[in-house]
Amino acid sequence: DAKTTQPPSMDCAEGRAANLPCNHSTISGNEYVYWYRQIHSQGPQYIIHGLKNNETNEMASLIITEDRKSSTLILPHATLRDTAVYYCIVRFPGGGADGLTFGKGTHLIIQP
Amino acid sequence: GAVVSQHPSRVICKSGTSVKIECRSLDFQATTMFWYRQFPKQSLMLMATSNEGSKATYEQGVEKDKFLINHASLTLSTLTVTSAHPEDSSFYICSASPRGGVAGELFFGEGSRLTVL
Repeated sequence: DAKTTQPPSMDCAEGRAANLPCNHSTISGNEYVYWYRQIHSQGPQYIIHGLKNNETNEMASLIITEDRKSSTLILPHATLRDTAVYYCIVRFPGGGADGLTFGKGTHLIIQP
Repeated sequence: GAVVSQHPSRVICKSGTSVKIECRSLDFQATTMFWYRQFPKQSLMLMATSNEGSKATYEQGVEKDKFLINHASLTLSTLTVTSAHPEDSSFYICSASPRGGVAGELFFGEGSRLTVL
């Protein structure tokens, strides 16, 4: 699976959009970009995933650059409950047969 | 979304005893479940892949005789930490992928915090 690079931490004001970047310059053509988050002392939570088109769901938006070498997760109106470690993971879908490899992620802190 | 439940959420045991942690997929069937371990201020580390009806596959450095995994049904996998020692104290998390679900999407349990005295 391709390696990803994320900033170790970010701050964002409550109510503002939080934009979390991820670099994955070695991504291959069939690898997807997945985002998960982990709130303190809880299991990770799936947020969103995409291949090359931008994606949006009720939690967030995922913007993938045209060359697919980087992406940005956008939380449109951050709340205090969005404080968590956010993980960007690039992998082949594998039909769910492969476990995820977690990097260090970005610790997003939402400030009141 | 799909729900994965772990039990117990917290357990404290004496050194040398064995502890069993259950992972259940509540509203879907999972042919494959995964077990992770997370030490304080560190990321999740994959320990093993649990396949229904067959032996688990362990990651390098994980002792299969110490961390026994049983996946007896499509909705239940168990992790037994045998002869636990203080260094086994950690946050153990399971995950599962719905059979026939969105490609690569995994759902995680709430985690089980093990403290070995």
